[in-house]
Amino acid sequence: AQTVTQSQPEMSVQEAETVTLSCTYDTSESDYYLFWYKQPPSRQMILVIRQEAYKQQNATENRFSVNFQKAAKSFSLKISDSQLGDAAMYFCAYRSAHNYGQNFVFGPGTRLSVLP
Amino acid sequence: DAGVIQSPRHEVTEMGQEVTLRCKPISGHDYLFWYRQTMMRGLELLIYFNNNVPIDDSGMPEDRFSAKMPNASFSTLKIQPSEPRDSAVYFCASSFRDRGRTEAFFGQGTRLTVV
Repeated sequence: AQTVTQSQPEMSVQEAETVTLSCTYDTSESDYYLFWYKQPPSRQMILVIRQEAYKQQNATENRFSVNFQKAAKSFSLKISDSQLGDAAMYFCAYRSAHNYGQNFVFGPGTRLSVLP
Repeated sequence: DAGVIQSPRHEVTEMGQEVTLRCKPISGHDYLFWYRQTMMRGLELLIYFNNNVPIDDSGMPEDRFSAKMPNASFSTLKIQPSEPRDSAVYFCASSFRDRGRTEAFFGQGTRLTVV
């Protein structure tokens, strides 16, 4: 079974600075997708970014980018120019590309605080 | 599309009562997931369906929990009888089978408090 680990329960960053959230996963599969979700205090789960395992190029979405290291099974999220609205729980998630096991496996989350 | 719709948003009930949570997935999605979120255990997968058929219910805590999906546009999660330790936020999410590329779309969640 796949597992997802986020080793930083809490992180903080100064407004306008850059922060990196860590995520590692364990799988024997070669084809899969990885996601970062944001959960603000409203508790709505919002997709931040998606990475396809067969693509070597790291995904980027505006101020959000990932560092995907397939061999190391690492998938970190970098937030540049942090804003107060970035304060939230961030979850890393794994989804198999195979027909079986198409559920999402989530990590325990990292709570990010943004300091003014 | 209005997204995944859950009801109610909040539920307060007394221990021993039956609780039913409802979910309407996004039209066209063939996967539906029920998650429970607590401070202690994070986001736990309870059960998921594919084409209305339960695929994996190994996350359902015990026999007090049951879930159904009678058609592609509706699912329920029932707790009977409820206990204080069931207090949590319950999320429903839906997705589409396209080799795993599509993300899970979450509802707003139901905050359940059992007193």
